[in-house]
Amino acid sequence: GAGVSQSPRYKVAKRGQDVALRCDPISGHVSLFWYQQALGQGPEFLTYFQNEAQLDKSGLPSDRFFAERPEGSVSTLKIQRTQQEDSAVYLCASSLAGKSTDTQYFGPGTRLTVL
Amino acid sequence: QKEVEQDPGPLSVPEGAIVSLNCTYSNSAFQYFMWYRQYSRKGPELLMYTYSSGNKEDGRFTAQVDKSSKYISLFIRDSQPSDSATYLCAIGGYGNKLVFGAGTILRVKS
Repeated sequence: GAGVSQSPRYKVAKRGQDVALRCDPISGHVSLFWYQQALGQGPEFLTYFQNEAQLDKSGLPSDRFFAERPEGSVSTLKIQRTQQEDSAVYLCASSLAGKSTDTQYFGPGTRLTVL
Repeated sequence: QKEVEQDPGPLSVPEGAIVSLNCTYSNSAFQYFMWYRQYSRKGPELLMYTYSSGNKEDGRFTAQVDKSSKYISLFIRDSQPSDSATYLCAIGGYGNKLVFGAGTILRVKS
């Protein structure tokens, strides 16, 4: 069956541009997560949705980062006025229910390069 | 100090060797322990998931957790070139998020 998909796979932005990254979770999955993975590092938590509700946004590094999931399915991570330090792979994951024990399934990521 | 410490390697071994990968963590509130494998330019995929101290085996892979020492390990027997990847430990149970180690790069030489 289809896994988590993300688009675009690669994005190059000039410093100061706004970008939008899309995540399509596994169908029927209630929970959706965004992580940021810098080069040579493990993923770091950004934010978490249960259906359309954003329950945890403690990992968002600044108010330039904004995420939404308006219909409880597809999610968009938006970064305004991109900076070079935003260059990273942005990973989306989904899980079946809202329990902390549920397995998180990851997408392939969007590699963002800010010039 | 990071919540989860993992030696980034790289670790290079000959085909057929036994591989040992390790992580330590600092917060005893963590309850669930996972190992993910990540191939280049791909997302992490779950390999092993354990809840309690002790060993869990799945094929060539064994996950070991020692909660008293806050130490987790992944052993790979009869390593294959196809095992070459980055291995990430991940810990959960403190909210819904996962906390990852930095990842260990493994290279298995044929």
